[in-house]
Amino acid sequence: SQQGEEDPQALSIQEGENATMNCSYKTSINNLQWYRQNSGRGLVHLILIRSNEREKHSGRLRVTLDTSKKSSSLLITASRAADTASYFCATGPDGGATNKLIFGTGTLLAVQP
Amino acid sequence: NAGVMQNPRHLVRRRGQEARLRCSPMKGHSHVYWYRQLPEEGLKFMVYLQKENIIDESGMPKERFSAEFPKEGPSILRIQQVVRGDSAAYFCASSLLDVLNTGELFFGEGSRLTVL
Repeated sequence: SQQGEEDPQALSIQEGENATMNCSYKTSINNLQWYRQNSGRGLVHLILIRSNEREKHSGRLRVTLDTSKKSSSLLITASRAADTASYFCATGPDGGATNKLIFGTGTLLAVQP
Repeated sequence: NAGVMQNPRHLVRRRGQEARLRCSPMKGHSHVYWYRQLPEEGLKFMVYLQKENIIDESGMPKERFSAEFPKEGPSILRIQQVVRGDSAAYFCASSLLDVLNTGELFFGEGSRLTVL
């Protein structure tokens, strides 16, 4: 089963609005990362938050992490048409046998100009 | 400093043929990961390699699929006797640190395999 599941699956907003995407995961993690993928392209790393952090900012991005609920959210403020893409969360291992990033199913964000 | 380079970008094969996908990691990166992405889906982990070693191949089918990362040259993902279900985008990623030490992954643009 998926380690990470994003919610919603798809989101359509107007330029200037904020977009919030959520990610839930199942097992203990060392870190959680968010990536962006434009259609037909590779993934680009956006931000990483460690398991001992609760919130992190990078430009118009704000990420929160609640390890008790095993969930994270990505907020994009003042969205632009260029933010249209799929957004994936990915979880890193907690030091166990796995040593790889597990990706969620993604949220497709459409920002209407 | 070039990014992760994958080739070919597009590959068409007939059922039963072999597909060979190449990935050159970013300079200085010794950790390479291969992921598969089906249309409208997320990325599924296949294999994690370091130079000359397969570290984790738990996501790779036992038959027909193999991967290597030789001392010299690119990492290769090889699919023998391809079937239609192998049609997908295959992404390679590299990192400076391993994921356990919070390594950020740098992705290539992917190789899109179509099996006729």
